[in-house]
Amino acid sequence: GAVVSQHPSRVICKSGTSVKIECRSLDFQATTMFWYRQFPKQSLMLMATSNEGSKATYEQGVEKDKFLINHASLTLSTLTVTSAHPEDSSFYICSATPPTARREKLFFGSGTQLSVL
Amino acid sequence: AQTVTQSQPEMSVQEAETVTLSCTYDTSESDYYLFWYKQPPSRQMILVIRQEAYKQQNATENRFSVNFQKAAKSFSLKISDSQLGDAAMYFCAYGPGSARQLTFGSGTQLTVLP
Repeated sequence: GAVVSQHPSRVICKSGTSVKIECRSLDFQATTMFWYRQFPKQSLMLMATSNEGSKATYEQGVEKDKFLINHASLTLSTLTVTSAHPEDSSFYICSATPPTARREKLFFGSGTQLSVL
Repeated sequence: AQTVTQSQPEMSVQEAETVTLSCTYDTSESDYYLFWYKQPPSRQMILVIRQEAYKQQNATENRFSVNFQKAAKSFSLKISDSQLGDAAMYFCAYGPGSARQLTFGSGTQLTVLP
């Protein structure tokens, strides 16, 4: 079946550095991918919608300059956390759907745990 | 804006017994999907069951079934014959028919007691 791959699964970085997280659709093309953030013991919150070939759409309260999203190909979206700070430490998950599939066919990546020291 | 409410932060059930997790939602749309996802300690999101709003029949998947009350905007999950492997965080989620992003509830941590 369709699979969404997310890397890295875990990253630890120093405050002030940037971290890139990749989300790949392995056997289908995804014109749209979604990025969620999950704080400990909390729910998943949609951060942004990644659109292939165009600008990402950010949810209210999410800083565009802090969370850079690039969707340069039909199988890859990247989320870059720029100048990371400890409050950016969180679990980040992406999701994607094959464009020809029924709308309820959502696939999630395995997530990335970001820890900023 | 759509909202999803799970009023039970924690639930526990005895192994082999039945448990029901509650979920209510709010939307003005007529075309949408509802989901229950399971998130074990690995944090991988696992689809448990889904329901199309236009279908009156409640969805079932083996030991998992839902009670979908569209007028009341209620979508509860029933787990029958609970197993130790069912222990996890369960999220109720709403997906509009026009798009593919989801709105999640706050989650219910399910403990299965041996």
